Amino acid sequence: ETGVTQTPRHLVMGMTNKKSLKCEQHLGHNAMYWYKQSAKKPLELMFVYNFKEQTENNSVPSRFSPECPNSSHLFLHLHTLQPEDSALYLCASSQLAGENEQFFGPGTRLTVL
Amino acid sequence: AQTVTQSQPEMSVQEAETVTLSCTYDTSESDYYLFWYKQPPSRQMILVIRQEAYKQQNATENRFSVNFQKAAKSFSLKISDSQLGDAAMYFCAYRNPKAGSARQLTFGSGTQLTVLP
Repeated sequence: ETGVTQTPRHLVMGMTNKKSLKCEQHLGHNAMYWYKQSAKKPLELMFVYNFKEQTENNSVPSRFSPECPNSSHLFLHLHTLQPEDSALYLCASSQLAGENEQFFGPGTRLTVL
Repeated sequence: AQTVTQSQPEMSVQEAETVTLSCTYDTSESDYYLFWYKQPPSRQMILVIRQEAYKQQNATENRFSVNFQKAAKSFSLKISDSQLGDAAMYFCAYRNPKAGSARQLTFGSGTQLTVLP
């Protein structure tokens, strides 16, 4: 595997389910990001991790819980989501937080029923 | 707060022709970075080109070039000799190089480019 990978690519869940999104980067980067991409809206930054430490939380509801066990892996745990949370969730990485170039994964298309 | 505006939700271009995508931004900073990202149907965001605000020379990457007008806060992308593979959603993005959340990318809402054979 190369670059940034995300699993699953598609996820359908009910509002009472608990699920997790996984992101893995094979680039030796130290910073990882979660973005939310809703239809006809700009990408919204959700979380930033730099050297496994969370450095940004852009007022994301607590039903989204990130986890970064090491610099290569990033998870987004989902719990009691709402239909309006349906979106494409993109993971990205960069050498350091705030570095010019972020490398993106293919995203997870999430549908909340 | 920084904002990025892409006023063209959709654009189309004939194959081999040239198309220009518009982007404007709002900032009080003098030093910053601007980017164009491409998101094809595969959904993977790919960096197309970047521009440092302190550089007067417009960035160029093969068939992709920008027209950076700092005073007007405009950052348009020109795609020359358009190819079918250029069809994608294009996002303009801004980054403030200072520490903290301002360093993160702020994206526009995107322009969907269709390339007609």
